[in-house]
Amino acid sequence: AQKITQTQPGMFVQEKEAVTLDCTYDTSDPSYGLFWYKQPSSGEMIFLIYQGSYDQQNATEGRYSLNFQKARKSANLVISASQLGDSAMYFCAMREGNNNDMRFGAGTRLTVKP
Amino acid sequence: GAVVSQHPSWVICKSGTSVKIECRSLDFQATTMFWYRQFPKQSLMLMATSNEGSKATYEQGVEKDKFLINHASLTLSTLTVTSAHPEDSSFYICSARQGSYYEQYFGPGTRLTVT
Repeated sequence: AQKITQTQPGMFVQEKEAVTLDCTYDTSDPSYGLFWYKQPSSGEMIFLIYQGSYDQQNATEGRYSLNFQKARKSANLVISASQLGDSAMYFCAMREGNNNDMRFGAGTRLTVKP
Repeated sequence: GAVVSQHPSWVICKSGTSVKIECRSLDFQATTMFWYRQFPKQSLMLMATSNEGSKATYEQGVEKDKFLINHASLTLSTLTVTSAHPEDSSFYICSARQGSYYEQYFGPGTRLTVT
């Protein structure tokens, strides 16, 4: 069963605007971590932000923030003040409990328009 | 931040031959390394997890005799694709975990093309 769902195959945003990329997850483990990665056309996976299931506050890293709604099991990524260099694939991922493996969603391709 | 390297970055091989991909953690000791496979325009799919000095744990549907993983040291893991076929052509990405819960770093990937 798919544990990480990204329902937006593609998103467009105007430069300097904010954009929200959706991610929902499914787990019965009370301890888990949620991650967002950016993958530009070069293929490298760039870590953006992390949210632990027990974290009380939403994670923020510069222009990236994670809108963590635990009851809804959603972990949306918000990118503020979009830049042309933000155009890339974005993947949401989850690691459950003490398991080592990280599972990825299908990804969202973000295109920033000038 | 921690750096993970992969070599080669791209490789073309003939069908039936074997190819080895190296993954190194350059400035930290990786207790666990992961190998992912990514087809064009698709997500990363975990192939296997390896801990230094022990056998890799393969995901369901991944042939362990075809994709040989050796985690020889705390800084090196190798993936060998044996008797490669065109359907093995893909982007292979390794990842290394440093130890604390969320620290996991990705290599730049290796693009394999089997002709």
